[in-house]
Amino acid sequence: QKEVEQNSGPLSVPEGAIASLNCTYSDRGSQSFFWYRQYSGKSPELIMFIYSNGDKEDGRFTAQLNKASQYVSLLIRDSQPSDSATYLCAVNTRGSTLGRLYFGRGTQLTVWP
Amino acid sequence: NAGVMQNPRHLVRRRGQEARLRCSPMKGHSHVYWYRQLPEEGLKFMVYLQKENIIDESGMPKERFSAEFPKEGPSILRIQQVVRGDSAAYFCASSPGAPDLRNEQFFGPGTRLTVL
Repeated sequence: QKEVEQNSGPLSVPEGAIASLNCTYSDRGSQSFFWYRQYSGKSPELIMFIYSNGDKEDGRFTAQLNKASQYVSLLIRDSQPSDSATYLCAVNTRGSTLGRLYFGRGTQLTVWP
Repeated sequence: NAGVMQNPRHLVRRRGQEARLRCSPMKGHSHVYWYRQLPEEGLKFMVYLQKENIIDESGMPKERFSAEFPKEGPSILRIQQVVRGDSAAYFCASSPGAPDLRNEQFFGPGTRLTVL
């Protein structure tokens, strides 16, 4: 059973702070990792993907991947109230199920002014 | 450039009726995925289709659920004889090509199914 676990939250940070979202996965065959943002009642929106160990930066967002520890994280710098949403970690594995994404249950983030 | 389109956005059915959910992928995308999101739960994969082919249906319940992606027209997720437990948000996603390391999937707005 392939599992994706996220810190349950909710996570609350003040405006301007760094928000840190964490995700672990059970399948060592996992190859690529995605962070989606989902506002309440809306559809998931892709923020970033990463498939190599290390950091990947895009604007205020940084994804970090450590395959040895089976751990992926998302850092949001200079958090804004508009970042308040649920963040979903998703994992893609190789082989016949390469098309499917396994999602964590999400971490709810609140950024207060 | 239109994104992934789903209709209807909201669907109400009584127990025992059929539900048909439609998904048109982004322009240029030929791969479609269906996911279900139950209240307070994460997204669960249901099925992956290409035009006229079901690639992976390992997430589909064995009974009452079926999916297709015909040569012409949208992908359809069909639920026969709906039960209250089918009430959920059903999301369709599409990607431009065969899954690889990137496999960016772009989601539609979803169909909220309510079974009375």
